Order: sequence, then C-alpha cells, then structure tokens
Amino acid sequence: AQSVTQLDSQVPVFEEAPVELRCNYSSSVSVYLFWYVQYPNQGLQLLLKYLSGSTLVESINGFEAEFNKSQTSFHLRKPSVHISDTAEYFCAVRLPGANNLFFGTGTRLTVIP
Amino acid sequence: DAGITQSPRHKVTETGTPVTLRCHQTENHRYMYWYRQDPGHGLRLIHYSYGVKDTDKGEVSDGYSVSRSKTEDFLLTLESATSSQTSVYFCAISESGGQSYGYTFGSGTRLTVV
Repeated sequence: AQSVTQLDSQVPVFEEAPVELRCNYSSSVSVYLFWYVQYPNQGLQLLLKYLSGSTLVESINGFEAEFNKSQTSFHLRKPSVHISDTAEYFCAVRLPGANNLFFGTGTRLTVIP
Repeated sequence: DAGITQSPRHKVTETGTPVTLRCHQTENHRYMYWYRQDPGHGLRLIHYSYGVKDTDKGEVSDGYSVSRSKTEDFLLTLESATSSQTSVYFCAISESGGQSYGYTFGSGTRLTVV
C-alpha cells in the first residue's frame, strides 16, 4: 500500500522569507510524485512533477522540489515567498501503471505581509 | 478551468434525496475522476472512468454511483444523500491515466446535505 504524509497542516511565513513544505511517501516500488496548488475557491493546479531523471524539479513561479529516494521524501521549497503564494499545497504519488493519484492531506501556506 | 466544467457549483439538499453532479470536458481525455475534499483528509478518490461505460471504484465509493455514457460527461450520483456526504467534490481529467500528465481539475461543487 502506498500513502502520502504531509507533516505540517499549516505553515505561516513572512513575505520574502524561505519556506519548505514537507512530503513523505511510503512505497516499496518507484513512484511518480506531484505537487498541486489550490488557491481559494478554485480547483487544484499542477505545480511540478517528478517522473524520472534529475531529482530536482522546478516550477515556473520559483518553487522547486527534490526527490530523495533514501528518505522517501519530495519536499517543496521556495527561497522567497510572495503574498500571492498563499494557498493550500497537496503532495501526491502515483505508482507506475496505476490509474489514479493518492493525495496527502494538504499544507495551508499563509504568507504574512 | 479550461476544458472541464462542473455543475452545479453549489447545492444544498435534504437528507435522503438523490443528487447528481455533472462533470463535462471538452478535451476528449480518456480518464475522468471524482474526488471529495474534506478537512484533514485531503482528496479521496470516489470513482473513476477509463472510457465510455468503463468505471471503477475508488477508496470511498460507498453511497455513490457513476455513469459515463459519453466521453465528455461523467456523472456522480448520491442515491440517498447523507450528512456525511457534505463535502467539496472535484472532477479531474487525464489524457493517459495521468502517468506523465497529472490531472486537470474542475473548479469543484460544494454540496451541503441538511
């Protein structure tokens, strides 16, 4: 069985400060990993994904995540957050060949002016 | 969200009544999914479809049924709504089972069962 753990349900951070949102997964086989972002009253949007290759993946708005196989982690980072980054962030995993994603419980990021 | 529409956006219904939520896509994607989102639980899969008339259960399928008679429409039905089904429901689509492309989500339907 696979599961996804997001260790922090809420993360407050001041504007222009760095942030890390943690995600750990449990799986005995290789997985595909995703981060989604949900802005208030909207659906989820794909932020970035790891399928294979380079363990560091980046999004267009300055977020990055690093796949760490030994620690079964896929933490999301940004060196300097903006007010507009306030949202809920979901980590998700998928087994190769599986038809659906398993989501974590989400981390609400609040950027404080 | 472009290419995927959920209706209605909001609904209040009484316990014991049937409710149908609709997901419509214009992307011609093969896979469609229904998730529910609840505080502390994230998103949980209810049912999904891998083609017309081809559906399968997810982890929280009890009390729900689905139908897909056309590629573009995926309906979620609560046969007899209960208060525990108060939630936000999201539809998602995927071109190839999502292995490379992830999902595209609709804007959600907020359902309240009173």
